[in-house]
Amino acid sequence: DAGVIQSPRHEVTEMGQEVTLRCKLISGHNSLFWYRQTMMRGLELLIYFNNNVPIDDSGMPEDRFSAKMPNASFSTLKIQPSEPRDSAVYFCASSLWPAQETQYFGPGTRLLVL
Amino acid sequence: GQQLNQSPQSMFIQEGEDVSMNCTSSSIFNTWLWYKQDPGEGPVLLIALYKAGELTSNGRLTAQFGITRKDSFLNISASIPSDVGIYFCAGVSGSARQLTFGSGTQLTVLP
Repeated sequence: DAGVIQSPRHEVTEMGQEVTLRCKLISGHNSLFWYRQTMMRGLELLIYFNNNVPIDDSGMPEDRFSAKMPNASFSTLKIQPSEPRDSAVYFCASSLWPAQETQYFGPGTRLLVL
Repeated sequence: GQQLNQSPQSMFIQEGEDVSMNCTSSSIFNTWLWYKQDPGEGPVLLIALYKAGELTSNGRLTAQFGITRKDSFLNISASIPSDVGIYFCAGVSGSARQLTFGSGTQLTVLP
């Protein structure tokens, strides 16, 4: 069975550039979560969706970050413009509502902003 | 916001030894979860606990949901090299059922 798929796995970019991270949910799942992991702050929830609708985006750091679900199985997280402090591992996770606590994580995208 | 205090931060043990780690919080949680993260991968769910006092096992792993609903522990018996990784606790509370993660315990198993 295919798990959560994320792309790219690694991204190196220069400050000021736009970065787009992609995530494909597990088939049949209807909740999608974006997390950021750093040494300093650990795993932080950025935003989550239920049935394509953003429910809570209070974890999104600032307006430079935006997330969308153009369809039920796919999501993007965009950073524009990127800054060095955005360097982190970004995970998406999917689950089947209402069992939102049982989340399945993707392998992550390692982002380095120079 | 809610915070989970996870300890210890790191552990170095000999293969075959038992391991214990725990999480505490000042807030009540409805669900406790334990995840393991291997290097270069995302966290993988190990055990989920749904009731205060619940004790659940998954192979060599045993976890308990504290009676006060403010803590949980994870035990690993007879550790093996593939147990190496970072173990995270996570709590769920409120109607939104979002996860709050602990800071992780880095486990190293020495041969």
